Amino acid sequence: GENVEQHPSTLSVQEGDSAVIKCTYSDSASNYFPWYKQELGKRPQLIIDIRSNVGEKKDQRIAVTLNKTAKHFSLHITETQPEDSAVYFCASGTGTASKLTFGTGTRLQVTL
Amino acid sequence: GAVVSQHPSWVICKSGTSVKIECRSLDFQATTMFWYRQFPKQSLMLMATSNEGSKATYEQGVEKDKFLINHASLTLSTLTVTSAHPEDSSFYICSASSLARPLDGYTFGSGTRLTVV
Repeated sequence: GENVEQHPSTLSVQEGDSAVIKCTYSDSASNYFPWYKQELGKRPQLIIDIRSNVGEKKDQRIAVTLNKTAKHFSLHITETQPEDSAVYFCASGTGTASKLTFGTGTRLQVTL
Repeated sequence: GAVVSQHPSWVICKSGTSVKIECRSLDFQATTMFWYRQFPKQSLMLMATSNEGSKATYEQGVEKDKFLINHASLTLSTLTVTSAHPEDSSFYICSASSLARPLDGYTFGSGTRLTVV
């Protein structure tokens, strides 16, 4: 089955700096790669996603890049703010009727 | 946007009893429902996938007789934890998708914190 690895497990950055989280996947059939932000005790919130027909997608301070050849994708958050502090999960899937496999999560701490 | 309502948000039960968790899609037809379990400081682990009107497909290591999943309609799926034990204490969360709305991705319920005492 699919295996998704995520690094780093924890990340501390100063407010205003950038944060990068990386994931690799194993199933070459995967074509959907969402990123979720989860606050303690809450549901995962989709922050951005990318499909395999594009290599990069940006939404304000958040961007995701995908390298299908290398089977890895990354989340980039620029100009980090304290409210960005949360756990971030990458995931991969092969379509909306198929299951998502989640990475192990990255705890991001943005310090003042 | 798509909304999935999950109830209860938290429940405490005695060891040996059963607990039912409901997920309802409020404004779309959930052709597929996914049930996840999340232990503290860990990732979401898929327990099972259910398609409306079909038997659920369970992930390896998940006991189908312990975690009963029913997806009898396009708007309601239930997870029943039977004979719950303290090790079943976890955060359970559903996620729904719709074949009619493939670009909408997955909509998560708000989760249920189960504590078995």
